[in-house]
Amino acid sequence: RKEVEQDPGPFNVPEGATVAFNCTYSNSASQSFFWYRQDCRKEPKLLMSVYSSGNEDGRFTAQLNRASQYISLLIRDSKLSDSATYLCVAGEYGNKLVFGAGTILRVKS
Amino acid sequence: DADVTQTPRNRITKTGKRIMLECSQTKGHDRMYWYRQDPGLGLRLIYYSFDVKDINKGEISDGYSVSRQAQAKFSLSLESAIPNQTALYFCATSESGTQETQYFGPGTRLLVL
Repeated sequence: RKEVEQDPGPFNVPEGATVAFNCTYSNSASQSFFWYRQDCRKEPKLLMSVYSSGNEDGRFTAQLNRASQYISLLIRDSKLSDSATYLCVAGEYGNKLVFGAGTILRVKS
Repeated sequence: DADVTQTPRNRITKTGKRIMLECSQTKGHDRMYWYRQDPGLGLRLIYYSFDVKDINKGEISDGYSVSRQAQAKFSLSLESAIPNQTALYFCATSESGTQETQYFGPGTRLLVL
């Protein structure tokens, strides 16, 4: 079983749609959580950190449920430029990051 | 100029050859990491280093070695390349701390024939 599991997709959505990605992690000792974005053939880049209280950055909202070991990302009003692979990440002791395999999002006009 | 650079960007080699992938950073970060990415598997940690005198094995270190020549440089070697080491390799850096963002280089595409 993978330590961080995500639905690989692809999620094909029209512009303006709201889309949600889910992720589960198996290590209950994980201390930090992130969503990274990776464009095709490019390096991953931090999209946002995820906090227990939930956090929002513009059209993006991230949620963490430690009891269920579940992380989510909600994207509202999808743009063509949101098309990418979204990586769910759990951080362990010493800033070791464990990456999910990623969820592919394709936003179409 | 990019903060984290990797050389080469693309490399084709033959089974049994020794190759080195290099990573340099200008961010002044103490911590550096090497990952490989394979389709459907995500990024997996090969080795990491928290400072010049510190080297640690990651999830998949077999067949790889590393050298931290300076704070800014961290190289990954494949002593005898094999085809299943064909992958996209990323170097990353972060500041000291428990929840610091990792910054990735542009990646090296390696094909082992």
